[in-house]
Amino acid sequence: GNSVTQMEGPVTLSEEAFLTINCTYTATGYPSLFWYVQYPGEGLQLLLKATKADDKGSNKGFEATYRKETTSFHLEKGSVQVSDSAVYFCALAQTGNQFYFGTGTSLTVIP
Amino acid sequence: DTAVSQTPKYLVTQMGNDKSIKCEQNLGHDTMYWYKQDSKKFLKIMFSYNNKELIINETVPNRFSPKSPDKAHLNLHINSLELGDSAVYFCASSQGGAGSPLHFGNGTRLTVT
Repeated sequence: GNSVTQMEGPVTLSEEAFLTINCTYTATGYPSLFWYVQYPGEGLQLLLKATKADDKGSNKGFEATYRKETTSFHLEKGSVQVSDSAVYFCALAQTGNQFYFGTGTSLTVIP
Repeated sequence: DTAVSQTPKYLVTQMGNDKSIKCEQNLGHDTMYWYKQDSKKFLKIMFSYNNKELIINETVPNRFSPKSPDKAHLNLHINSLELGDSAVYFCASSQGGAGSPLHFGNGTRLTVT
């Protein structure tokens, strides 16, 4: 079956620290992989995506690389800001319009 | 212009009542979804429509009934509301096809008292 596992939170970092949020997946076939971000009181927004192995998605200083050999799509940012405080979701999508989400990781960045 | 809009943003009601949440997307997408997010932020797919046809119907109580009058609209009607229905409900849309992301509305926070 298809599933996504992401690291449990909450994660608390100081401003300018390095961020890694781990995400691994189980899938049949060749899924597309996504990271979404949810700010308080808002809906989920697409942060970045990758559609095939070894693709790197990037946006707003965040990056994630589609690793087929380790079935992973870890999210990284070199220097976090207070404004990055949010909940981050890893997701995969197969053909047929079905999306599978991880449980979300809450990030708080303190000044 | 808002891409996926849902109304109302907040809904407070008593147990046993019937309520509806409306969703509209102006992205020209073929597929629309309803998700439920609980207090721990866990997202659960409820329904999906493609061109007005139901394609995903997860195990939800039959008190929940989606309606898609056209491919730009997907409404959610809930009968006989229960305390456990309290959650944030998100509408989303997608063009479909490999790599097409979901676009979410800002959610409707339903509180059942």
